[in-house]
Amino acid sequence: DQQVKQNSPSLSVQEGRISILNCDYTNSMFDYFLWYKKYPAEGPTFLISISSIKDKNEDGRFTVFLNKSAKHLSLHIVPSQPGDSAVYFCAATFRGGNKLVFGAGTILRVKS
Amino acid sequence: EAQVTQNPRYLITVTGKKLTVTCSQNMNHEYMSWYRQDPGLGLRQIYYSMNVEVTDKGDVPEGYKVSRKEKRNFPLILESPSPNQTSLYFCASSLTGLRLTNTGELFFGEGSRLTVL
Repeated sequence: DQQVKQNSPSLSVQEGRISILNCDYTNSMFDYFLWYKKYPAEGPTFLISISSIKDKNEDGRFTVFLNKSAKHLSLHIVPSQPGDSAVYFCAATFRGGNKLVFGAGTILRVKS
Repeated sequence: EAQVTQNPRYLITVTGKKLTVTCSQNMNHEYMSWYRQDPGLGLRQIYYSMNVEVTDKGDVPEGYKVSRKEKRNFPLILESPSPNQTSLYFCASSLTGLRLTNTGELFFGEGSRLTVL
């Protein structure tokens, strides 16, 4: 029973265009959400996060949107660059929680 | 340089041969955790430790042991490995627990790819 779901295994985008990665969750207790990026042969690295008290958080080219009623969040990358090609993991946790619950990941390919 | 270091990075072993994957962090982090990554399943937590001598099970602890005798080290022990433990393993650490840092982020090691024949 996956509490965090990334239903798109892969996404291909042209350089300069917008990349939108989606994530759905089922546990209403989750109140903090994170995105991690992973390159081959490396560990995941933190990218951006959002608290449930917000609906948007922006950091440079990266913006995360949270829709609590739909239990859905998305990561927007604008403009996409070839160096953004990686696996992106959505993760969630809750206050007092002791772990991050990860989705299965989405492989993003940005074509030049 | 702040980092989480895992060893070995790659290992092929046989069923039943005990092995240990070491993990060390140099950031004086209190919280450490082990995850395994499998296709289609993402990263799943095996064990975690809130501080020295404090460890607890994650979602998939069967077949694994851990210890936290020192703050910097958190080894993962497979007493009798089986083929279903073939996976990519990640050690991670956080300053004071997942929700007490300003971003809640985990710092991950580079991963250890384990194959059990």
